[in-house]
Parts: sequence; structure tokens; C-alpha cells
Amino acid sequence: DVKVTQSSRYLVKRTGEKVFLECVQDMDHENMFWYRQDPGLGLRLIYFSYDVKMKEKGDIPEGYSVSREKKERFSLILESASTNQTSMYLCASSSHQRRRSNQPQHFGDGTRLSIL
Amino acid sequence: AQSVTQLDSQVPVFEEAPVELRCNYSSSVSVYLFWYVQYPNQGLQLLLKYLSGSTLVKGINGFEAEFNKSQTSFHLRKPSVHISDTAEYFCAVSAAGNAGKSTFGDGTTLTVKP
Repeated sequence: DVKVTQSSRYLVKRTGEKVFLECVQDMDHENMFWYRQDPGLGLRLIYFSYDVKMKEKGDIPEGYSVSREKKERFSLILESASTNQTSMYLCASSSHQRRRSNQPQHFGDGTRLSIL
Repeated sequence: AQSVTQLDSQVPVFEEAPVELRCNYSSSVSVYLFWYVQYPNQGLQLLLKYLSGSTLVKGINGFEAEFNKSQTSFHLRKPSVHISDTAEYFCAVSAAGNAGKSTFGDGTTLTVKP
């Protein structure tokens, strides 16, 4: 089974801090994703990576950056945390299949981040 | 661009009753369709997927969904629900050639009551 591991289940940080959320997958997947999940808003894509060092902005990239130095690891960075970034963050991965879109995504258990 | 609409934000139902969770999508190209389930304090896990072929797709835990191209729908059904099916359900669509990205609906919370 694919395992996607997020480094923290719960995290509390202060406004203005630089925050790192880490995600590791063990199935050699090319694609990795970061979403935030808020009640009533579903999942919104923050950033997407389809290969090492490659990234694309999603629907809500403002205030975030990402890093993918190794294939198995995808990090989300909040450059200067603000209270409106309090949310559940979900990491996911999927197989590439020649950049087709027919592979399901595999999710981690999420990081619930609170910014005080 | 593609979009997904889950028509019900909350669906309460009694145990052993049938349930249908509705999902409509729009896309200008061919699509792949997915249903995911999220139990409390967990990530999403795949229930079932439609890629091509038979329009009736069977998934885990007794769920099934039917792809209707003319109505652009992909409704999820279960003939008899259990308390353990209480969860949030997400419909997702991936457009062909969109490099693996999916668009998710806002979710439907299914609450099964005894």
C-alpha cells in the first residue's frame, strides 16, 4: 500500500513565524500535491509538483512556497504565517502515467495548523 | 477548465436505508471521475473511480457509482448504509491531459443514525 506521511498531525505557531510542513511518500510517485481543507470549501490546491525541482502554482498559492529536492519529499512553506492560514493541510501523491490524469491520489492524514 | 458540484452538503439517513450522494461535473474534454471518503481526523481514501468502459462502477465498502455522460453526473449509491459509513465524501474530476491534477467538490457529510 502507498503510504503518505505528514510530519505533524497538529501544529501551533505564532503570527509571522516561518512554518515548514513536510510530506514523504514511499511509492516512487512523480506527482505530489499540497491542499488546504476548510469547512464548506472542500479541498483547494496550493501547489503541485510533477518532478523533482518542478512545481506549479495551484488555485491559492499566495503566502506559500514549496520545495521538492528529492522525489519522495515535498515541503510546504509558510513564509510569514498569518491567522488566515489556520487550516487543515493535506498532502497527496499520484503516479505519473505519461502525465495522464487517470491515476487516483493517495493522501496523508493531514496536519491541523493553528496560527495564533 | 473543469468544475464539480456536489448537490447536497449534508445527508442524514437512518441505518440500513439506501443513500445517494449526488455529483455533477463540467468539462470541455473527456474526464476521469473519482469518489473519496474522509473519516474524522484522517486523510481522504479512494472509494471508486471511473476511467472508461462500463458506466456502473463498484467500489469498496459496498458503494457504487454510475457515470452518466449526457447528464454529466457521477452519483454515488449504497443500498443499505451502516453507522460506520458516517464520513465526508468528496467527488473529484480530472480532465484528460491535465497532468494528474483533480478538481474536488465541496464535500457531502453523510450522517447515519441508528
